[in-house]
Amino acid sequence: QVQLQESGPGLGKPSETLSLTCTVSGASISANYWSWIRQPPGKGLEWIGYIFYSGSTNYNPSLRSRVTMSVDTSRNQFSLKLSSVTAADTAVYYCVRRDCSGGSCGWFDPWGQGTLVTVSS
Amino acid sequence: EIVLTQSPGTLSLSPGERATLSCRASQSVSSSYLAWYQHKPGQAPRLLIYGASSRATGIPDRFSGSGSGTDFTLTISRLEPEDFAVYYCQQYGSSPETFGQGTKVEIK
Repeated sequence: QVQLQESGPGLGKPSETLSLTCTVSGASISANYWSWIRQPPGKGLEWIGYIFYSGSTNYNPSLRSRVTMSVDTSRNQFSLKLSSVTAADTAVYYCVRRDCSGGSCGWFDPWGQGTLVTVSS
Repeated sequence: EIVLTQSPGTLSLSPGERATLSCRASQSVSSSYLAWYQHKPGQAPRLLIYGASSRATGIPDRFSGSGSGTDFTLTISRLEPEDFAVYYCQQYGSSPETFGQGTKVEIK
């Protein structure tokens, strides 16, 4: 059973860089694409981007200038860095597997439990 | 960017009733690359449907997906108490991958 668990600070200050890590168990990180998705309080889901184990990435254009994702295959982890954060970046951040089957990819399964990150001075 | 519009915003139904949720795309979703998720408060979202109509592993057959192009539907044939939640559609046919704003299915 594949499980994902987010970790990182729950509080950040405006203009700082938010850093989160996702630890994957039950599957090799070298076998899939991995994504970050966020949900601001009371709002819908927003795709942040995905990374392949090779390091290739695809980011949401709305966040591209501030997002960096990386993979650590030795630890079976992948990470998110979001720079120059503001209160608008306050959200529950989920790490997820971007799944594939039959030659197509793009749905998200499974999801981590999510971690609330609050940006406040 | 493909915008997904879900309707209705809230669906008030009783257990045992049929739920029909709509997801309309601002442009055609290629190859029916559309998924549906169920989200309960305090829990991780759960994949229900991918490829517009393929049920994910372990999903009961009362959940079904249909549609193509710009119009997609999630149907819950008979609502169970555990089905009351928020449902999101998501397209992965073009980047950026986008979600609808959600439909809340609440107990009437």
